[in-house]
Amino acid sequence: KQEVTQIPAALSVPEGENLVLNCSFTDSAIYNLQWFRQDPGKGLTSLLLIQSSQREQTSGRLNASLDKSSGRSTLYIAASQPGDSATYLCAATRPAANAGGTSYGKLTFGQGTILTVHP
Amino acid sequence: KAGVTQTPRYLIKTRGQQVTLSCSPISGHRSVSWYQQTPGQGLQFLFEYFSETQRNKGNFPGRFSGRQFSNSRSEMNVSTLELGDSALYLCASRRVLGYGYTFGSGTRLTVV
Repeated sequence: KQEVTQIPAALSVPEGENLVLNCSFTDSAIYNLQWFRQDPGKGLTSLLLIQSSQREQTSGRLNASLDKSSGRSTLYIAASQPGDSATYLCAATRPAANAGGTSYGKLTFGQGTILTVHP
Repeated sequence: KAGVTQTPRYLIKTRGQQVTLSCSPISGHRSVSWYQQTPGQGLQFLFEYFSETQRNKGNFPGRFSGRQFSNSRSEMNVSTLELGDSALYLCASRRVLGYGYTFGSGTRLTVV
């Protein structure tokens, strides 16, 4: 059974700081790993998707890395801003083969890191 | 480009009633998944539908069911509601395995 853990549970930093959020997973047989952002009471916004064959993905000030062998992913946020304040979730997709041989997957989420960036 | 649309946004139901939630995926996305989010349990997988068939199911009681229509729209039904069913229900769609998921804004269900 896949288990996903995120550290730290909460993080408070001053504006402008670079920061790293950590995600670990127990089953390395993942299809891909996705980072999301969730604002209070809202749905999830996809930030980055890393396929199992990739090592990292970048989008603007965000960079996510993936190390399948160690079961770890990190999300790096450069020059943090108050607007980055949100809960950050990582989720691993593990294929689930059905009787027909076609693979379907489900996301297993970590509990999230609550990030607060203060001015 | 329209995103994933979930209706309604908010629902208040009484214990014992049943409820139906709706999800319209992004055009071209054939897979629809449902997740339940609660403060205590976090995000938990309910089920996934692809081509009108349930392909994968999480560990939820049979009171939770769903279906997918030929246009890929999906509905989730919860019967005999319990107080513990109060949660944010999120729908996600994707093209096929290997693509990332896009989530809707969710339906906030409160059972009183």
